[in-house]
Amino acid sequence: GAVVSQHPSRVICKSGTSVKIECRSLDFQATTMFWYRQFPKQSLMLMATSNEGSKATYEQGVEKDKFLINHASLTLSTLTVTSAHPEDSSFYICSARYLGSYEQYFGPGTRLTVT
Amino acid sequence: AQSVAQPEDQVNVAEGNPLTVKCTYSVSGNPYLFWYVQYPNRGLQFLLKYITGDNLVKGSYGFEAEFNKSQTSFHLKKPSALVSDSALYFCAVRDDSNYQLIWGAGTKLIIKP
Repeated sequence: GAVVSQHPSRVICKSGTSVKIECRSLDFQATTMFWYRQFPKQSLMLMATSNEGSKATYEQGVEKDKFLINHASLTLSTLTVTSAHPEDSSFYICSARYLGSYEQYFGPGTRLTVT
Repeated sequence: AQSVAQPEDQVNVAEGNPLTVKCTYSVSGNPYLFWYVQYPNRGLQFLLKYITGDNLVKGSYGFEAEFNKSQTSFHLKKPSALVSDSALYFCAVRDDSNYQLIWGAGTKLIIKP
């Protein structure tokens, strides 16, 4: 149980375009979802926390207008990287938790490459 | 402020030998501690957690971790390492105020045949 999927697993886009990454909880209701960014050989950097039906809370230094997060349902959150640039290339990981759970359940990640 | 430290960037162990990956933490309340493993270009896989109870926690793939309150440590251990254990290991503590995870920097574990 507690499976989280991400789509796509890999995406290549051109500079200036936008790309959407989906995060789904497959067998539970995700009251809270988290979006992380991971640079090569580094730890996870929390970008934002989103509660279903509410606006996401962004961490300091993360541009809200560039990284649009939507958590419209209890099973789906999306991260849209707008006007992507090569420096946005990274590994993006989402996680989710349900009400009362101690842990977060992680998606498999999305490798974004901006050319 | 809550924090997690993984003092070793890399740990090298010969196959068949016991392994230890170190983690120390600092929290204001009760610690909820986690270990995750990440294989190349993959997401994180949960190994084990400590919430309360026995100090020795058993997890996936033969791993275990010992919670030591006096030393504020939560070291990950395995009695006999496998080459397939080679991966990146992260220790994390949960922030009770917002359910966020505070992450260690990660330790690269290399098991040599």
